[in-house]
Amino acid sequence: GESVGLHLPTLSVQEGDNSIINCAYSNSASDYFIWYKQESGKGPQFIIDIRSNMDKRQGQRVTVLLNKTVKHLSLQIAATQPGDSAVYFCAENPYNFNKFYFGSGTKLNVKP
Amino acid sequence: GAGVSQSPRYKVAKRGQDVALRCDPISGHVSLFWYQQALGQGPEFLTYFQNEAQLDKSGLPSDRFFAERPEGSVSTLKIQRTQQEDSAVYLCASTPGPGGDYGYTFGSGTRLTVV
Repeated sequence: GESVGLHLPTLSVQEGDNSIINCAYSNSASDYFIWYKQESGKGPQFIIDIRSNMDKRQGQRVTVLLNKTVKHLSLQIAATQPGDSAVYFCAENPYNFNKFYFGSGTKLNVKP
Repeated sequence: GAGVSQSPRYKVAKRGQDVALRCDPISGHVSLFWYQQALGQGPEFLTYFQNEAQLDKSGLPSDRFFAERPEGSVSTLKIQRTQQEDSAVYLCASTPGPGGDYGYTFGSGTRLTVV
């Protein structure tokens, strides 16, 4: 199938380690952010979201941190598993919910 | 169906040919979105429908691109006189309510290759 990971920054981690994926967003007016996971040949899959009135949100094995001062998002994945291997995108939503602006993505490679 | 369905899964078109890409959103979903994803890049917004109304088409790259959702369910993205720069994966997404709050459910996309 097609690859979405060509020429993307790649993060390689050992199975069981924690992963941190970073994203710089562009619009200071953005007030809603989502992390998506995209496996080869599939559409992006929602992982976790955060609104601008928060600086941290936790899900199952994932945590998103938001630093509005420097316009930075991070996704932390605990105890990374081979099934976490994919391309991860952050997406920002300024002004309304009708469109999202996606970052360029980071490829996560989990070594068994 | 349980998810967003797109067809065809792959499409090869000769330059200058017209193509039509279909999206079946999750049943009952009000909002439908089209995105274009070039190889190695993040998706880029094309257009947004709320029921049958096309509320935002600001991302359509040229007047060769046209989208419709006449009955508020299935949507078709049409590209006329395809060019090589149109080669990309075209993603459709839907949400239950207005807008993209709480994130989209994406389909697997249609990979268009223009030769």
